[in-house]
Amino acid sequence: EAQVTQNPRYLITVTGKKLTVTCSQNMNHEYMSWYRQDPGLGLRQIYYSMNVEVTDKGDVPEGYKVSRKEKRNFPLILESPSPNQTSLYFCASSLAAGGDEQFFGPGTRLTVL
Amino acid sequence: KQEVTQIPAALSVPEGENLVLNCSFTDSAIYNLQWFRQDPGKGLTSLLLIQSSQREQTSGRLNASLDKSSGRSTLYIAASQPGDSATYLCVPQGYSGAGSYQLTFGKGTKLSVIP
Repeated sequence: EAQVTQNPRYLITVTGKKLTVTCSQNMNHEYMSWYRQDPGLGLRQIYYSMNVEVTDKGDVPEGYKVSRKEKRNFPLILESPSPNQTSLYFCASSLAAGGDEQFFGPGTRLTVL
Repeated sequence: KQEVTQIPAALSVPEGENLVLNCSFTDSAIYNLQWFRQDPGKGLTSLLLIQSSQREQTSGRLNASLDKSSGRSTLYIAASQPGDSATYLCVPQGYSGAGSYQLTFGKGTKLSVIP
């Protein structure tokens, strides 16, 4: 089944403890991206990647890192999480960047205490 | 910068009614527009994708139209069912420069279909 998977689905952590949220897609998509969703603000893009080893900042990149060493994986790294990063995170992918249907993962609900 | 407005913000209808969700966007230079549904606390499920050269797309009881020049899209749901209850998101995709593209999300219309 074609899908985007994220792990973990739920995570509670404490301020400053490094964490990684994984994202994987099995559709051979070139384009992958990360979003966060907060009440009243909608979805905002954190980082995106147009292909392996090519990443760039979205609208709200502060406090996050990403890497794209393989085509299928696009992990989101929080080096020193803070409470304002408590949010619902989504990974998405598409065949290429422009004009293609976007597929979203199931989401990761992160709480930083 | 692209801005997306969805009206109404919330809608409650009895089962069986036909309904229309509206979306407007400020920048008509888009590549496509995608409608998603989102169930509470869950991911986004793609419903329909309309390319900029198309006027409408249909899938089952859903029909989406696109008027790119006026910056409008509508999602029509026929014979609504309680299972249609969700938040519906309108998402145009445009060119953001440097070979990249960007999705802009509306805040959604929260639909409740009452049995």
